[in-house]
Amino acid sequence: SYELTQPPSVSVSPGQTASITCSGDKLGDKYACWYQQKPGQSPVLVIYQDTRRPSGIPERFSGSNSGNTATLTISGTQAMDEADYYCQAWDSSTVVFGGGTKLTVL
Amino acid sequence: EVQLVESGGGLVQPGGSLRLSCAASGFPFSSNWMNWVRQAPGKGLEWVANIKQDGSEKYYVDSVKGRFTISRDNAKNSLFLQMNSLRAEDTGVYYCARDVRNYYLDYWGQGTLVTVSS
Repeated sequence: SYELTQPPSVSVSPGQTASITCSGDKLGDKYACWYQQKPGQSPVLVIYQDTRRPSGIPERFSGSNSGNTATLTISGTQAMDEADYYCQAWDSSTVVFGGGTKLTVL
Repeated sequence: EVQLVESGGGLVQPGGSLRLSCAASGFPFSSNWMNWVRQAPGKGLEWVANIKQDGSEKYYVDSVKGRFTISRDNAKNSLFLQMNSLRAEDTGVYYCARDVRNYYLDYWGQGTLVTVSS
């Protein structure tokens, strides 16, 4: 079965750029998306179709996807961005999530 | 405004059954694939199942095949998950989520908690 691999944790200082990677076999041939989940809340879509931002998501969130790796980049990271982030792709009509990355802003 | 509201969770003994429901509103329900996603306490997201607009295609994660059944009632804008032979490892919050062209899940419900314990 298809697998997506994320680092368990990433730390960033306020105002700096955070990058969270998601690796999978030929992931660049698929669409990747990203969800943000804060404690006690439902996931929120922050990036879809590799690079697109839903309405209401700040411009500091951006995405890329090439080769075997998709990347979520948060520029000018704010304290409110501290959360768990999950990548997701489709494989043979099934949904695959990465294991999640805890972003700490300190 | 798109809304997804899950219900039906609760405490059940191992081997028992539960039926989850998801009431959808604010969009033409019959136009979208729909999904169930779960999250065990302190763990990551795990996709459980999805269903095509007309119910003609259904897919499941291996761990629930033969035990869970996804269904929908487009006339009542509702999604369901029948869960049988429940195990402790099925414990978690279950979310329903709207699917956009099998590309991404753009709206999620608030979740319903399922606890399997004796």
